[in-house]
Amino acid sequence: QVQLVQSGAEVKKPGASVKVSCRASGYTFTSYNMHWVRQAPGQRLEWMGRINAGNGNTKYSQNFQGRVTISRDTSASSAFMELNSLRSEDTAVYYCARGHYPSGDYFDYWGQGTLVTVCS
Amino acid sequence: EIVLTQSPATLSLSPGERATLSCRASQSVSNYLAWYQQKPGQAPRLLIYDASNRATGIPARFSGSGSGTDFTLTISSLEPEDFAVYYCQQRSNWPFTFGPGTKVDI
Repeated sequence: QVQLVQSGAEVKKPGASVKVSCRASGYTFTSYNMHWVRQAPGQRLEWMGRINAGNGNTKYSQNFQGRVTISRDTSASSAFMELNSLRSEDTAVYYCARGHYPSGDYFDYWGQGTLVTVCS
Repeated sequence: EIVLTQSPATLSLSPGERATLSCRASQSVSNYLAWYQQKPGQAPRLLIYDASNRATGIPARFSGSGSGTDFTLTISSLEPEDFAVYYCQQRSNWPFTFGPGTKVDI
């Protein structure tokens, strides 16, 4: 069965960086896009970007102004999301989500979420 | 950026009743719209994609319709496990965006 398992909760200071991992199993990792979506407390879901796990091409939301980098390690069937210059508004649950076939841009399987807390 | 609005914000219903949820886009998204269900402490679950296609394993009581700017998610007869928050999402334009959600409660 398809599973996405994310790394554990993080507490960071403003200005720091965080890198969240997402390990996939149960399917061919390189055949699907992997997206990152976050949800701040009481807020709507927010799409951050995605990576084509096969060729490594990325696309990011301009709302993050170049602060986000998504990468993958095909040998480990894992995707990573790094967010820089953290501020308090980045406190949220961060999810990885597999792109639904065939469009690639809906989200059919999700990780369990990683809570990132930014506070001084 | 395409803005999605959902109505109503909260829908108070009883098991067995019909639920009708609305999602409106600030510009046409063709049929590139999905619906998700989220329960407290859980990740969202894909229900409907491309406006009207049920995702794998989704019961037939969930149906979607619409195109362009106006979309509807219908739950024909609410089961106890259907009480949750429902989000719409568009993939027509970057960045992909979500609506604010409709909470279906008892």
